[in-house]
Amino acid sequence: QKEVEQDPGPLSVPEGAIVSLNCTYSNSAFQYFMWYRQYSRKGPELLMYTYSSGNKEDGRFTAQVDKSSKYISLFIRDSQPSDSATYLCAMCTGFQKLVFGTGTRLLVSP
Amino acid sequence: KAGVTQTPRYLIKTRGQQVTLSCSPISGHRSVSWYQQTPGQGLQFLFEYFSETQRNKGNFPGRFSGRQFSNSRSEMNVSTLELGDSALYLCASSLGGLAGENEQFFGPGTRLTVL
Repeated sequence: QKEVEQDPGPLSVPEGAIVSLNCTYSNSAFQYFMWYRQYSRKGPELLMYTYSSGNKEDGRFTAQVDKSSKYISLFIRDSQPSDSATYLCAMCTGFQKLVFGTGTRLLVSP
Repeated sequence: KAGVTQTPRYLIKTRGQQVTLSCSPISGHRSVSWYQQTPGQGLQFLFEYFSETQRNKGNFPGRFSGRQFSNSRSEMNVSTLELGDSALYLCASSLGGLAGENEQFFGPGTRLTVL
């Protein structure tokens, strides 16, 4: 079993929809949680960075962490075709070594 | 502020050769981490350097090595290349000084093809 599980998708939604992306994990020592967006043939771009449990909002993006359930989510409101990309969750114990999910491919159609 | 830069962007090598990849972190960042990304395994941690010292290491064979210079620039080397080493190699930089300073910012990657 992988330390971090993420549905690879693809997830197809119409423009304007609310998108929910999720990851589960098994290592209770993880304390720092990140979401990255990766366009084809590019490096991952950091979207959200959260510490421990709780919510964090940045524009159209909201990250949620539930450590009791070992479950993290990223919500994208008013999705746009430019949001079409692969979304990667990542987490670490605090010592730089990030453990990534496999990534969810999101397709937003006009 | 300039982002993380990696050179070269593309490389083609043959089995048995060795390769050196370079990474320049964001100015002021002292931690550089290297990751391998493949379609089958996803993103996997190789190693991390902080102030010229390897601080963390992933589960890769000794053919994969790295170093960091006093200006925080880093190189990774792969010796005796195998077909399975074909991948996108990503470098990420962070402040890295404390446990919480680990927002990692990635470069565009070096795409290595081994023939």
